Amino acid sequence: QSVLTQPPSVSGAPGQMVTISCTGSSSNIGAGYDVHWYQQLPGTAPKLLIYGNSNRPSGVPDRFSGSKSGTSASLAITGLQAEDEADYYCQSYDSSLSGWVFGGGTKLTVL
Amino acid sequence: QVQLVESGGGVVQPGRSLRLSCAASGFTFSSCGIHWVRQAPGKGLEWVAFISYDGSIKYYGDSVKGRFTISRDNSKNTLYLQMNSLRAEDTAVYFCAKDPIPYSSSRQNWFDPWGQGTLVTVSS
Repeated sequence: QSVLTQPPSVSGAPGQMVTISCTGSSSNIGAGYDVHWYQQLPGTAPKLLIYGNSNRPSGVPDRFSGSKSGTSASLAITGLQAEDEADYYCQSYDSSLSGWVFGGGTKLTVL
Repeated sequence: QVQLVESGGGVVQPGRSLRLSCAASGFTFSSCGIHWVRQAPGKGLEWVAFISYDGSIKYYGDSVKGRFTISRDNSKNTLYLQMNSLRAEDTAVYFCAKDPIPYSSSRQNWFDPWGQGTLVTVSS
């Protein structure tokens, strides 16, 4: 059971938009800790997608955007492409556990 | 470019020990904190441990506390993870991942980049 809760799967057709939620609590996201997002393509290491809630590293398309409110965060992907099919993870810090924490991951399927 | 390369994985019996290494290049290793993160087969990511740029600060996840030790040799640009009393549930791909902010141990920071990982299998 992950500290941060994500839907196990989401799907969308090419060109559509999908959102992935990340729900935490008062000891992590709600305590003001930033949320970061990673993309993991099959058989590869995770890659940073969004840092500091809503910032994109250079090279990440602006189709990817992040937001945070209260005890939750969201990753939005617009203009879905086949290459976006991957697992997505949110990450933050938890003061009760005194450690960095991840969501359980969400598998994105592009129909 | 920044590169992290893990090694040392393999098959080990329950209760035995193993040491993983993470060789860094392309940046000033001695200025950056580094994490270990693991991923059990078919499962999600789990943070394991963190060490500050100078080795003075170390944090561990509850599942490995008391059994694993993180360390670094800045003269060799290498990070280590000594894993003792291994259990079947420690079976995973182990990644090292860099804290992107130099001289920082902030809890707000993220992991970037990641190495390709090394597989540890604990089985009799």
